[in-house]
Amino acid sequence: QQQVKQSPQSLIVQKGGISIINCAYENTAFDYFPWYQQFPGKGPALLIAIRPDVSEKKEGRFTISFNKSAKQFSLHIMDSQPGDSATYFCAASMYNDMRFGAGTRLTVKP
Amino acid sequence: NAGVTQTPKFQVLKTGQSMTLQCAQDMNHNSMYWYRQDPGMGLRLIYYSASEGTTDKGEVPNGYNVSRLNKREFSLRLESAAPSQTSVYFCASSETTSPGANVLTFGAGSRLTVL
Repeated sequence: QQQVKQSPQSLIVQKGGISIINCAYENTAFDYFPWYQQFPGKGPALLIAIRPDVSEKKEGRFTISFNKSAKQFSLHIMDSQPGDSATYFCAASMYNDMRFGAGTRLTVKP
Repeated sequence: NAGVTQTPKFQVLKTGQSMTLQCAQDMNHNSMYWYRQDPGMGLRLIYYSASEGTTDKGEVPNGYNVSRLNKREFSLRLESAAPSQTSVYFCASSETTSPGANVLTFGAGSRLTVL
Protein backbone atom coordinates (compact mmCIF):
# COMPACT_ATOMS: atom_id res chain seq x y z
CA GLN A 1 0.00 0.00 0.00
CA GLN A 2 1.42 3.31 -1.10
CA GLN A 3 2.15 5.51 1.89
CA VAL A 4 1.94 8.73 -0.10
CA LYS A 5 -1.05 9.37 -2.37
CA GLN A 6 -0.80 12.01 -5.10
CA SER A 7 -3.37 13.61 -7.38
CA PRO A 8 -4.09 14.35 -10.13
CA GLN A 9 -2.24 11.89 -12.37
CA SER A 10 -2.07 14.48 -15.13
CA LEU A 11 -2.71 18.20 -15.37
CA ILE A 12 -2.97 20.59 -18.30
CA VAL A 13 -2.66 24.31 -17.58
CA GLN A 14 -2.48 27.37 -19.79
CA LYS A 15 0.62 29.54 -19.69
CA GLY A 16 0.31 32.02 -16.85
CA GLY A 17 -2.14 29.87 -14.91
CA ILE A 18 -1.78 28.21 -11.51
CA SER A 19 -0.89 24.52 -11.27
CA ILE A 20 -1.93 22.70 -8.09
CA ILE A 21 -0.86 19.18 -7.14
CA ASN A 22 -2.05 17.50 -3.96
CA CYS A 23 -0.59 14.80 -1.73
CA ALA A 24 -1.70 12.94 1.38
CA TYR A 25 0.30 10.73 3.70
CA GLU A 26 -0.51 8.13 6.32
CA ASN A 27 2.46 7.83 8.64
CA THR A 28 2.77 10.65 11.18
CA ALA A 29 6.43 9.70 11.70
CA PHE A 30 7.35 11.37 8.39
CA ASP A 31 9.37 14.50 9.15
CA TYR A 32 10.35 15.91 5.76
CA PHE A 33 8.22 16.54 2.69
CA PRO A 34 10.02 17.33 -0.57
CA TRP A 35 8.80 17.80 -4.12
CA TYR A 36 10.85 16.50 -7.01
CA GLN A 37 10.71 17.53 -10.67
CA GLN A 38 11.59 15.12 -13.47
CA PHE A 39 12.13 15.87 -17.15
CA PRO A 40 11.95 13.06 -19.74
CA GLY A 41 15.05 10.88 -19.76
CA LYS A 42 16.43 12.43 -16.57
CA GLY A 43 16.46 11.54 -12.91
CA PRO A 44 14.23 13.46 -10.48
CA ALA A 45 15.71 16.62 -8.95
CA LEU A 46 14.71 18.38 -5.74
CA LEU A 47 12.44 21.35 -6.36
CA ILE A 48 11.34 22.52 -2.92
CA ALA A 49 10.81 20.93 0.51
CA ILE A 50 9.10 21.61 3.82
CA ARG A 51 9.23 20.36 7.41
CA PRO A 52 6.02 19.68 9.38
CA ASP A 53 6.54 22.56 11.80
CA VAL A 54 5.94 25.05 8.96
CA SER A 55 2.60 25.59 7.19
CA GLU A 56 3.90 27.22 4.02
CA LYS A 57 7.14 27.63 2.13
CA LYS A 58 7.67 29.74 -0.97
CA GLU A 59 10.57 29.75 -3.41
CA GLY A 60 10.01 31.96 -6.42
CA ARG A 61 6.91 30.74 -8.28
CA PHE A 62 6.73 27.50 -6.26
CA THR A 63 4.87 27.23 -2.95
CA ILE A 64 4.25 24.26 -0.65
CA SER A 65 1.21 24.40 1.63
CA PHE A 66 1.26 21.94 4.52
CA ASN A 67 -1.67 20.85 6.72
CA LYS A 68 -0.34 18.66 9.51
CA SER A 69 -3.72 17.85 11.09
CA ALA A 70 -5.14 16.70 7.75
CA LYS A 71 -1.88 14.96 6.78
CA GLN A 72 -1.96 16.72 3.43
CA PHE A 73 0.37 18.98 1.48
CA SER A 74 0.26 20.58 -1.92
CA LEU A 75 2.45 22.24 -4.52
CA HIS A 76 1.32 25.46 -6.18
CA ILE A 77 3.08 26.71 -9.30
CA MET A 78 2.20 30.33 -10.00
CA ASP A 79 2.44 31.87 -13.47
CA SER A 80 3.04 28.41 -14.98
CA GLN A 81 5.41 28.35 -17.96
CA PRO A 82 5.90 25.82 -20.80
CA GLY A 83 9.34 25.08 -19.29
CA ASP A 84 7.54 23.80 -16.18
CA SER A 85 6.14 20.90 -18.21
CA ALA A 86 7.50 17.85 -16.40
CA THR A 87 6.48 15.10 -14.00
CA TYR A 88 6.23 16.15 -10.35
CA PHE A 89 6.57 13.78 -7.41
CA CYS A 90 5.72 14.50 -3.82
CA ALA A 91 7.55 12.51 -1.17
CA ALA A 92 7.67 11.93 2.55
CA SER A 93 10.72 10.92 4.52
CA MET A 94 11.60 9.39 7.87
CA TYR A 95 15.33 10.01 8.05
CA ASN A 96 16.76 7.59 5.44
CA ASP A 97 13.47 6.08 4.27
CA MET A 98 11.87 8.24 1.57
CA ARG A 99 8.57 7.27 -0.07
CA PHE A 100 7.20 8.88 -3.23
CA GLY A 101 3.77 9.54 -4.64
CA ALA A 102 2.76 8.17 -8.05
CA GLY A 103 3.60 11.41 -9.88
CA THR A 104 1.72 14.11 -11.79
CA ARG A 105 2.47 14.83 -15.42
CA LEU A 106 2.11 18.58 -15.90
CA THR A 107 1.69 20.09 -19.35
CA VAL A 108 1.70 23.88 -19.68
CA LYS A 109 0.24 25.00 -22.99
CA PRO A 110 1.63 28.18 -24.58
CA ASN B 1 31.38 16.79 -10.45
CA ALA B 2 29.70 13.72 -11.90
CA GLY B 3 27.27 13.30 -8.97
CA VAL B 4 25.59 9.88 -9.21
CA THR B 5 26.66 7.62 -12.07
CA GLN B 6 24.69 4.51 -13.07
CA THR B 7 25.70 1.77 -15.50
CA PRO B 8 24.47 0.44 -17.79
CA LYS B 9 21.95 2.96 -19.18
CA PHE B 10 20.06 0.29 -21.11
CA GLN B 11 19.91 -3.49 -20.81
CA VAL B 12 17.78 -6.23 -22.32
CA LEU B 13 17.65 -9.58 -20.51
CA LYS B 14 15.91 -12.86 -21.03
CA THR B 15 13.78 -14.34 -18.26
CA GLY B 16 16.00 -16.17 -15.78
CA GLN B 17 19.21 -14.30 -16.61
CA SER B 18 21.07 -12.42 -13.93
CA MET B 19 22.65 -8.99 -13.97
CA THR B 20 24.02 -6.28 -11.73
CA LEU B 21 23.29 -2.55 -11.92
CA GLN B 22 26.19 -0.45 -10.75
CA CYS B 23 25.98 2.90 -8.98
CA ALA B 24 28.72 5.24 -7.79
CA GLN B 25 28.60 8.70 -6.19
CA ASP B 26 31.41 11.19 -5.75
CA MET B 27 29.75 13.51 -3.21
CA ASN B 28 30.95 11.64 -0.10
CA HIS B 29 27.33 10.92 0.86
CA ASN B 30 26.61 8.42 3.61
CA SER B 31 23.28 7.08 2.32
CA MET B 32 22.47 5.41 -0.99
CA TYR B 33 19.22 4.11 -2.48
CA TRP B 34 17.76 2.06 -5.29
CA TYR B 35 14.31 2.91 -6.67
CA ARG B 36 12.30 1.54 -9.55
CA GLN B 37 9.98 3.74 -11.59
CA ASP B 38 6.93 2.30 -13.31
CA PRO B 39 4.09 4.17 -15.07
CA GLY B 40 1.36 5.13 -12.62
CA MET B 41 3.36 3.78 -9.66
CA GLY B 42 5.85 6.57 -9.13
CA LEU B 43 9.17 5.74 -7.54
CA ARG B 44 9.22 2.72 -5.26
CA LEU B 45 12.06 2.09 -2.85
CA ILE B 46 13.78 -1.27 -3.36
CA TYR B 47 16.67 -1.08 -0.88
CA TYR B 48 18.65 1.59 0.85
CA SER B 49 21.93 1.81 2.72
CA ALA B 50 22.11 4.34 5.53
CA SER B 51 25.86 3.98 5.82
CA GLU B 52 28.72 1.83 4.61
CA GLY B 53 28.18 -1.72 5.81
CA THR B 54 24.41 -1.51 6.32
CA THR B 55 21.47 -2.23 4.01
CA ASP B 56 17.72 -2.21 4.61
CA LYS B 57 14.69 -3.35 2.65
CA GLY B 58 12.31 -0.83 1.16
CA GLU B 59 8.82 -1.30 -0.26
CA VAL B 60 9.58 -3.81 -3.04
CA PRO B 61 12.75 -5.82 -2.20
CA ASN B 62 11.65 -9.24 -3.48
CA GLY B 63 13.76 -10.52 -6.36
CA TYR B 64 16.65 -8.14 -5.67
CA ASN B 65 19.87 -8.13 -3.70
CA VAL B 66 22.18 -5.23 -2.93
CA SER B 67 25.78 -4.70 -1.93
CA ARG B 68 27.25 -1.56 -0.40
CA LEU B 69 30.76 -2.20 -1.68
CA ASN B 70 32.27 0.90 -0.06
CA LYS B 71 31.11 4.44 0.70
CA ARG B 72 30.98 5.35 -3.00
CA GLU B 73 29.38 2.28 -4.56
CA PHE B 74 26.01 0.56 -4.17
CA SER B 75 25.05 -2.24 -6.57
CA LEU B 76 21.68 -3.87 -7.29
CA ARG B 77 21.57 -7.49 -8.43
CA LEU B 78 18.79 -9.41 -10.14
CA GLU B 79 19.57 -13.10 -9.63
CA SER B 80 16.85 -14.48 -11.92
CA ALA B 81 15.19 -11.74 -13.93
CA ALA B 82 11.43 -11.79 -14.49
CA PRO B 83 9.29 -9.73 -16.91
CA SER B 84 7.76 -7.97 -13.86
CA GLN B 85 11.19 -6.44 -13.25
CA THR B 86 11.04 -4.50 -16.50
CA SER B 87 11.39 -0.95 -15.27
CA VAL B 88 13.58 2.12 -15.05
CA TYR B 89 15.92 1.88 -12.08
CA PHE B 90 17.27 4.93 -10.30
CA CYS B 91 20.12 5.11 -7.86
CA ALA B 92 20.28 8.05 -5.45
CA SER B 93 22.46 9.27 -2.63
CA SER B 94 22.03 11.70 0.26
CA GLU B 95 23.88 13.26 3.14
CA THR B 96 21.46 12.72 6.01
CA THR B 97 23.18 14.65 8.77
CA SER B 98 19.95 15.01 10.73
CA PRO B 99 16.28 14.05 10.56
CA GLY B 100 14.12 16.28 8.42
CA ALA B 101 16.80 17.10 5.86
CA ASN B 102 17.07 14.17 3.48
CA VAL B 103 17.96 15.61 0.06
CA LEU B 104 18.34 12.88 -2.55
CA THR B 105 20.53 13.30 -5.63
CA PHE B 106 19.50 10.92 -8.41
CA GLY B 107 21.38 9.32 -11.24
CA ALA B 108 20.09 9.39 -14.82
CA GLY B 109 18.49 5.96 -14.61
CA SER B 110 18.96 2.49 -16.08
CA ARG B 111 16.24 1.16 -18.36
CA LEU B 112 15.90 -2.62 -18.01
CA THR B 113 13.74 -4.81 -20.25
CA VAL B 114 13.17 -8.47 -19.38
CA LEU B 115 11.78 -10.57 -22.23
